[in-house]
Amino acid sequence: EDQVTQSPEALRLQEGESSSLNCSYTVSGLRGLFWYRQDPGKGPEFLFTLYSAGEEKEKERLKATLTKKESFLHITAPKPEDSATYLCAVRRENSGYSTLTFGKGTMLLVSP
Amino acid sequence: GAVVSQHPSWVICKSGTSVKIECRSLDFQATTMFWYRQFPKQSLMLMATSNEGSKATYEQGVEKDKFLINHASLTLSTLTVTSAHPEDSSFYICSARVRWGDGGNTIYFGEGSWLTVV
Repeated sequence: EDQVTQSPEALRLQEGESSSLNCSYTVSGLRGLFWYRQDPGKGPEFLFTLYSAGEEKEKERLKATLTKKESFLHITAPKPEDSATYLCAVRRENSGYSTLTFGKGTMLLVSP
Repeated sequence: GAVVSQHPSWVICKSGTSVKIECRSLDFQATTMFWYRQFPKQSLMLMATSNEGSKATYEQGVEKDKFLINHASLTLSTLTVTSAHPEDSSFYICSARVRWGDGGNTIYFGEGSWLTVV
């Protein structure tokens, strides 16, 4: 059974204090690992897709990396507007169609 | 970037009535759309995969007669919650997959629809 575990559940940072969020996964036939940002009461906003171990992607203060067992979302010098819940999901092919399995998310709060 | 739009953003309905939520892909064609449900402080749970021109594929435990999905065109999927009850109150989110020319794909989400059944 596919499993996606995110840690920590919640993280509080001071503005400018860099940190990393973790996403550990077990899935057969990984067809992509996705990172999303979700603000309260809103749908998830796409950030990155990673396909293979060793791959890295960056966007502004965020950088996502992938290994065969986990992915990290590094946040460099965060700002209060980075506060949100960050979701990790894995995609696999199953019986001809693909599904996403989500982790429970990490709620990030960045204080000024 | 690709945009997925949901309507309505929020709806309140009486117990026993039905309510329809629309999911549109605004600047791309989506042969496959997905419907999720999310409870407060919980992760997204996939309800069903909506396939254009064919029947939806429901996840285990999701009642297909209660959550009717129609994907009549390449840009529109609808979720109808029939005979709604208070326990159906939740945040419903749709998503659609874009297949890029280089073989990659991205799944974009709508803004979500809050359903409250009173």
